[in-house]
Amino acid sequence: DVKVTQSSRYLVKRTGEKVFLECVQDMDHENMFWYRQDPGLGLRLIYFSYDVKMKEKGDIPEGYSVSREKKERFSLILESASTNQTSMYLCASSLLFNSNQPQHFGDGTRLSIL
Amino acid sequence: QKEVEQNSGPLSVPEGAIASLNCTYSDRGSQSFFWYRQYSGKSPELIMSIYSNGDKEDGRFTAQLNKASQYVSLLIRDSQPSDSATYLCAGPNTGFQKLVFGTGTRLLVSP
Repeated sequence: DVKVTQSSRYLVKRTGEKVFLECVQDMDHENMFWYRQDPGLGLRLIYFSYDVKMKEKGDIPEGYSVSREKKERFSLILESASTNQTSMYLCASSLLFNSNQPQHFGDGTRLSIL
Repeated sequence: QKEVEQNSGPLSVPEGAIASLNCTYSDRGSQSFFWYRQYSGKSPELIMSIYSNGDKEDGRFTAQLNKASQYVSLLIRDSQPSDSATYLCAGPNTGFQKLVFGTGTRLLVSP
C-alpha cells in the first residue's frame, strides 16, 4: 500500500512566522501535490511537482512556496503566515508524470494561524 | 480548465438502500475517473477507479462511466451508517498532470 506521511496532524503558529509542512511518500512516486481544503471550497491545488527540484504552480500558489530536494519528500512553506492560511493541508502523490493514475493522500495537517 | 461537478447534498438514504452519487464533467477527452471517500476531519481515501466506459464493481460499490453523456456515478448497495461521508469524484486534466476534483457529495445513511 502507498504510504504518504505528513509530519504533523495539528499545528498552531503565529502570524508572520515561517511555517514548514513536510510530506514523505514511500512508493517512489514521481508526482507530489499540496492542497488546502476549506469548508464549502473543496480541494484547491497549491503546488505540485513531477520530479526532484521541479515545481509547478497550482490554482492558489500566492503566499506559498515548495521544495523538493529528494524524490520522496515535498515540503510546503508559508513564507509569512497569515490568518487566512488557517486550513487543512493535504499532501498527495501519484505514480507517473503525465499518466492516468490516482492520487494517494496523507492524513492531513490542520494548521491554525493565530 | 476541465470542470467536474457534483451535487453537494446531503443525500439521505435509509440503511440497506442503494445510494447513487453522480458527477458530470465537461472534458470530452476524459478517459478515467476516481472516487474518493472522505470522513469528517479525515483525508480523502481512494475507493474506486474506472478507466473505460461501462461499469466496474468492487464489493458493494459500482462505478459507472458514460462518456457519451459525460457523467460518472457511484452506486453503493446495502448502504450502512458507516458509509456516511463525503464522496469526491476526480478526473485527470488534459495532459494528465493533475486531477480535477469535484466539491463532493455528502451522504447520510440513517439506521
